[in-house]
Amino acid sequence: GDSVTQMEGPVTLSEEAFLTINCTYTATGYPSLFWYVQYPGEGLQLLLKATKADDKGSNKGFEATYRKETTSFHLEKGSVQVSDSAVYFCALTRGNDMRFGAGTRLTVKP
Amino acid sequence: KAGVTQTPRYLIKTRGQQVTLSCSPISGHRSVSWYQQTPGQGLQFLFEYFSETQRNKGNFPGRFSGRQFSNSRSEMNVSTLELGDSALYLCASSLESSGRTGELFFGEGSRLTVL
Repeated sequence: GDSVTQMEGPVTLSEEAFLTINCTYTATGYPSLFWYVQYPGEGLQLLLKATKADDKGSNKGFEATYRKETTSFHLEKGSVQVSDSAVYFCALTRGNDMRFGAGTRLTVKP
Repeated sequence: KAGVTQTPRYLIKTRGQQVTLSCSPISGHRSVSWYQQTPGQGLQFLFEYFSETQRNKGNFPGRFSGRQFSNSRSEMNVSTLELGDSALYLCASSLESSGRTGELFFGEGSRLTVL
């Protein structure tokens, strides 16, 4: 069945460091891909999405490119801030239900 | 515009009891999905309701059930609680069926502890 695999955390970075969180997927056809973020004590919220191959989703300085050849959707940010500390979830859908990865906890230290 | 509201936020039950959780979606949203979040299993899909009909169901036992009312509010019920049911239960609403857009709006969750 469809699934998403994320790099295991936790990830700890210093402020202004470069961030990459790896995400790969298994799905037949052409799923839509998403990154959601969960701040402490809150529900998940959509960060960015891409609906077809080679699309780049971006929001709040975060970017991810839908790579069908490597079945990947890695999340990147050039310079993280303390306020980016959260749990990040990669997800996919093929028009049915949403499948989420296990989540990667990011802690950014000043 | 009000977000997704889940009640109760916290509850403690004992094994064998049952529990009902409630979710009020964003006004105008017709789809409500439920997820179970645990440290070991991450986010697992329970079921989705759209216009009072169950659209999809995850791989959970029959002890987990849900329903949606005509005003789109949804409830989920877990009967004969087990220790392993301790989790954060998240509700998410969307304008259309969740798989069509993938844009889910999540509530803060109901944290269930089973003793």
